Amino acid sequence: AQKVTQAQTEISVVEKEDVTLDCVYETRDTTYYLFWYKQPPSGELVFLIRRNSFDEQNEISGRYSWNFQKSTSSFNFTITASQVVDSAVYFCALSPYNQGGKLIFGQGTELSVKP
Amino acid sequence: DAGVIQSPRHEVTEMGQEVTLRCKPISGHNSLFWYRQTMMRGLELLIYFNNNVPIDDSGMPEDRFSAKMPNASFSTLKIQPSEPRDSAVYFCASSRPPGQGWTGELFFGEGSRLTVL
Repeated sequence: AQKVTQAQTEISVVEKEDVTLDCVYETRDTTYYLFWYKQPPSGELVFLIRRNSFDEQNEISGRYSWNFQKSTSSFNFTITASQVVDSAVYFCALSPYNQGGKLIFGQGTELSVKP
Repeated sequence: DAGVIQSPRHEVTEMGQEVTLRCKPISGHNSLFWYRQTMMRGLELLIYFNNNVPIDDSGMPEDRFSAKMPNASFSTLKIQPSEPRDSAVYFCASSRPPGQGWTGELFFGEGSRLTVL
């Protein structure tokens, strides 16, 4: 069975702190996609990143970075110098390689960044 | 470009009533997805379509739920009869065909918040 676990239910940090959101997944597929989505208080879901299972290169986009380690089935997300606008629920998700939209979501981590 | 458009944004109904949720995907997208979000179960896929054809409806909870996509620009999710446990936010999402520049991104609508009393 495929499963995504985000063990951190809630995280609270002070602005400018770095924060890492953990994601561990389970799948028997050899190829798959991993995603992160953001759900701000307004409720919509916003795509952040997709990784292919065969590409373990870490990625950085501004203050965001992602660490994919296939050996530990983890796809962690780090926000550097957090800001109040980063406050949201963050979801990690997994999909089969040939069904990229069929997302299996983790339960989400609610990040609160306080000024 | 307009995003995914869902209606109604909020719906309050009584148990036993029929509920119809509507979705207009982004023009040019060939895949459409219905997701449901609840506190207990989180975000879960109900059904998805490719080129207007239902591909996987294994997430549809019961026969009370049905979804259609009569054309490339419109889809409905119907619940008949509705029950209090159907209360949730229902998201519609669409994506473009795989190809050059494909990111795998699902474009989500703002959701339809359903409350069944």
